[in-house]
Amino acid sequence: KQEVTQIPAALSVPEGENLVLNCSFTDSAIYNLQWFRQDPGKGLTSLLLIQSSQREQTSGRLNASLDKSSGRSTLYIAASQPGDSATYLCAVYTGANSKLTFGKGITLSVRP
Amino acid sequence: DVKVTQSSRYLVKRTGEKVFLECVQDMDHENMFWYRQDPGLGLRLIYFSYDVKMKEKGDIPEGYSVSREKKERFSLILESASTNQTSMYLCASSQGTDTQYFGPGTRLTVL
Repeated sequence: KQEVTQIPAALSVPEGENLVLNCSFTDSAIYNLQWFRQDPGKGLTSLLLIQSSQREQTSGRLNASLDKSSGRSTLYIAASQPGDSATYLCAVYTGANSKLTFGKGITLSVRP
Repeated sequence: DVKVTQSSRYLVKRTGEKVFLECVQDMDHENMFWYRQDPGLGLRLIYFSYDVKMKEKGDIPEGYSVSREKKERFSLILESASTNQTSMYLCASSQGTDTQYFGPGTRLTVL
């Protein structure tokens, strides 16, 4: 059974810092890995999707990498801003059950 | 832009009531999903559907049922609401294994 882990559960950084959010998964037989953002009381917003054959994807100040063999992904946020404060979730699409398995998320707070 | 809408943002019901949560997507996606989200437990899949009139159980289907009569609409039904079903309910849709698009969520309170 696929398990997705995100550690730590919460992170607080000063504005302007570059930061890395980590995600690990137990079963490397994945179709893709997706990163989402969730603001308090809201739904999830897709940030990046990395196919299993890809190593990384970039969107603006965000860069996500994937190392399938080691079961790891990182989300890099450059020059963090208070508006980046949110919960970031990663999820993997696994072939065995063809559904997304989510981590519990990392709650990020960027201090002005 | 893909849009997923949910019928209510907030809902308060009494124990034993039958509750309907509606979800509509406008991108002709094949797949639709219902999740619930609870502090400390994360997102858990209740039911999903790959096509009209098709449904598959997720990780926690007990106490729930679903209906998909039209491609764009996926309904979650709580047959007899209980207090342990108080939660945030999130609907999502996708095409194949592509990006899942989420609705704004329905915060359900069962008294």
